[in-house]
Amino acid sequence: NFMLTQPHSVSASPGKTVVISCSVSGGFIERNFVQWYQKRPGRAPAPVIFENTRRRSGIPDRFSGSVASSSNSASLTISGLRPDDEADYYCQSSIGNTWIFGGGTKLIVL
Amino acid sequence: VQLVESGGGSVQSGDSLEVSCAASGFTFNTFWMSWVRYSPRGGLEWVAAIKDDESEKYYMDSVKGRFTISRDNARSTLYLQMRRLRVDDTATYFCTRGPQVLDHEWSLFDDWGQGVLVSVYS
Repeated sequence: NFMLTQPHSVSASPGKTVVISCSVSGGFIERNFVQWYQKRPGRAPAPVIFENTRRRSGIPDRFSGSVASSSNSASLTISGLRPDDEADYYCQSSIGNTWIFGGGTKLIVL
Repeated sequence: VQLVESGGGSVQSGDSLEVSCAASGFTFNTFWMSWVRYSPRGGLEWVAAIKDDESEKYYMDSVKGRFTISRDNARSTLYLQMRRLRVDDTATYFCTRGPQVLDHEWSLFDDWGQGVLVSVYS
């Protein structure tokens, strides 16, 4: 079964850099695009990274995405952390005609 | 782009419910559309997708045979008919434009409605 596994939570102080991982099992990361969505309580999800590395319009360059075939995983890096970056972040990809989300990572800005 | 869901509510396990999504601000009949649900316990889950001309429909395994996605392109409206609802279907259901397609590869769900709550009690 194709699955995306994320850490439950990550934390860092304002101004620091955090990396959220998304590990693929049951498939290969390079086969399909990976997207990242920010989910705040009571709000709709909002794409921040799409097609592995592209930033959505309006998303600052503090946000970046990457994929690594060697580890079969994708990563979302947020640098210069700000308090309003605190949210849940979900990776998403697809296999065939099924779209899969990771379990989500709670980003805590200390 | 605006996506406005309606039709949620609280129902008993085994009941049926239909949610709708009124779309505006884009050419509705040229985009794939999907339903994605969110619950605090389950996170985000893709539920169903429908091609622009309704010729293809896809569902997550746990809703196959119970949920039906459809669209009315003349009314720019997306629907999700839900039957034999279960407690674990309780979630906020989001209408989303997508998945987008780039060079025959699936891409993002780019615009989202505000969501509609479906609560199923036993």
